Amino acid sequence: DTEVTQTPKHLVMGMTNKKSLKCEQHMGHRAMYWYKQKAKKPPELMFVYSYEKLSINESVPSRFSPECPNSSLLNLHLHALQPEDSALYLCASSRPLLAGGTDTQYFGPGTRLTVL
Amino acid sequence: QKEVEQDPGPLSVPEGAIVSLNCTYSNSAFQYFMWYRQYSRKGPELLMYTYSSGNKEDGRFTAQVDKSSKYISLFIRDSQPSDSATYLCAMNSYGGSQGNLIFGKGTKLSVKP
Repeated sequence: DTEVTQTPKHLVMGMTNKKSLKCEQHMGHRAMYWYKQKAKKPPELMFVYSYEKLSINESVPSRFSPECPNSSLLNLHLHALQPEDSALYLCASSRPLLAGGTDTQYFGPGTRLTVL
Repeated sequence: QKEVEQDPGPLSVPEGAIVSLNCTYSNSAFQYFMWYRQYSRKGPELLMYTYSSGNKEDGRFTAQVDKSSKYISLFIRDSQPSDSATYLCAMNSYGGSQGNLIFGKGTKLSVKP
């Protein structure tokens, strides 16, 4: 089973709303990622969690707040977003390699976010 | 020079054609090479994964890595309309930062019946 699930599939929110995106995997992976993808662009890394600890934050604005409650779950809390934050938000997971780096990443289907 | 270069296309071929997709890269430390297929408005799906140089075959798909030329390829034999998608190459280095997966821009492929 190489499935990463994400909910919701679609989300429309206003600039004053607070919402959360959820991601789940049951592959035993201990590295989980959030990416943002705009149309016709490759995925852009936002955050990396390794063994449930935040290991990389790619200078993402504080209106995006990640959380990793356990080894299978990853959340992305959203607050006071801007219309330019509208994008496909992808979650991925992988096995971390012992000497650093990452094994193959498996992606979820994404949440299509629209900020009005 | 960008770390990973990939022609965005679009590439249009007739059904049954052999498709060749390519990426070049500049960082000689890259050792893991992946090809993802992404259908419109969906998440990327891992197609092929190779470590270091060489070839790997899986059904109609063959991935090649030439580290001396810093060049990777994905070949699709007997292409089908269902292969129409954007193909992203991705790579990273052993010992690199977790999550440091570098993507190409993606090539949009259209296979016409």
